[in-house]
Amino acid sequence: KQEVTQIPAALSVPEGENLVLNCSFTDSAIYNLQWFRQDPGKGLTSLLLIQSSQREQTSGRLNASLDKSSGRSTLYIAASQPGDSATYLCAVDAGNMLTFGGGTRLMVKP
Amino acid sequence: GEEVAQTPKHLVRGEGQKAKLYCAPIKGHSYVFWYQQVLKNEFKFLISFQNENVFDETGMPKERFSAKCLPNSPCSLEIQATKLEDSAVYFCASSRPLRGLDVNEKLFFGSGTQLSVL
Repeated sequence: KQEVTQIPAALSVPEGENLVLNCSFTDSAIYNLQWFRQDPGKGLTSLLLIQSSQREQTSGRLNASLDKSSGRSTLYIAASQPGDSATYLCAVDAGNMLTFGGGTRLMVKP
Repeated sequence: GEEVAQTPKHLVRGEGQKAKLYCAPIKGHSYVFWYQQVLKNEFKFLISFQNENVFDETGMPKERFSAKCLPNSPCSLEIQATKLEDSAVYFCASSRPLRGLDVNEKLFFGSGTQLSVL
């Protein structure tokens, strides 16, 4: 059974810092891994999708890496802004469903 | 742009009452997924559809939960005789065809239906 863990569970940083969110998964037989953002009371927004054959994906200030063999992914956020405050979830796709991590709650202080 | 539309946004039911949630996937998307979010970030997969056919229902508590995706109608998730522990946000997501094969498609999520069972 796939298990996804995210560390840290919560993070508070001053504006402008670069930060890294971590995601680990137990079964490396995945099709892809996605990072989502969830704002309070809102649905999920897909940020980045990394296919199993890829090592990383970039979108603006976000960079996600994937090391399938070690079961790890990181989401790097450069020059953080207060608008980045949200919960970030990673999810692995084994082909028929997504398995989510518990999320990292990020607070970026002005 | 187009988005996954879930209705209603909020639903309040007394214990034992029926609850029905709706989801209109993005046009052209053949896969629909239902997730239950309890205690903020603990998502639980419920069921998925490929067009109107059940694709995977391993997460469904079958005794009280049922779901359908009929042609030309929104998909629905119905809970008979709700219980207190059914209180959660129910998310629907859709993706384009060929999912899980050569093409890796993103899931697009609706904003969820918050179900409160009192």
